[in-house]
Amino acid sequence: KQEVTQIPAALSVPEGENLVLNCSFTDSAIYNLQWFRQDPGKGLTSLLLIQSSQREQTSGRLNASLDKSSGRSTLYIAASQPGDSATYLCAVRPNAGGTSYGKLTFGQGTILTVHP
Amino acid sequence: EAQVTQNPRYLITVTGKKLTVTCSQNMNHEYMSWYRQDPGLGLRQIYYSMNVEVTDKGDVPEGYKVSRKEKRNFPLILESPSPNQTSLYFCASSRGQWGTDTQYFGPGTRLTVL
Repeated sequence: KQEVTQIPAALSVPEGENLVLNCSFTDSAIYNLQWFRQDPGKGLTSLLLIQSSQREQTSGRLNASLDKSSGRSTLYIAASQPGDSATYLCAVRPNAGGTSYGKLTFGQGTILTVHP
Repeated sequence: EAQVTQNPRYLITVTGKKLTVTCSQNMNHEYMSWYRQDPGLGLRQIYYSMNVEVTDKGDVPEGYKVSRKEKRNFPLILESPSPNQTSLYFCASSRGQWGTDTQYFGPGTRLTVL
């Protein structure tokens, strides 16, 4: 059974700092990996989606990398801002064929606080 | 505006009283899914649907039912709710049959079962 772990569980940084969030998964047979952001009391917003054949994806100040063989992904946030404060979750989709493509397994998230 | 809507947003009920949480999307997405979010356990998938009349179990389907009679709607049914189903529920949709594209989430439904 796929297990997804995110480290650290919480992170507090001063504004302007570059930071890295980590996501690891136990089964490397994945179809893709997605990073989400969740604001308090809100639903999830997709940030980046990396296909299994890709090494990284970038969107603005965000860069996500994927090392499928080692079961790891990192989310890099450059020049952090207070508005980046949220919970960040990663989720993996299995590459096991059939209807299992529809499954999605989440990590427990990293709570990020960026203080002015 | 492209969106996923859920109703109700908040619900307090009692054990055993059947309830339905509705989910609707206006993006003509094939894939829809339900998740529950609990402190310490994170988000877990309940059921998903690849298209009308096609559904499959996620990791925690026990105690839940779903139906997909129309493409836009994917209701979550709790036939006999129990206190351990108290949780925050999210519906999501995605383009493509397997939801392998970006997922769009609804605002959530906070359910309390007494």
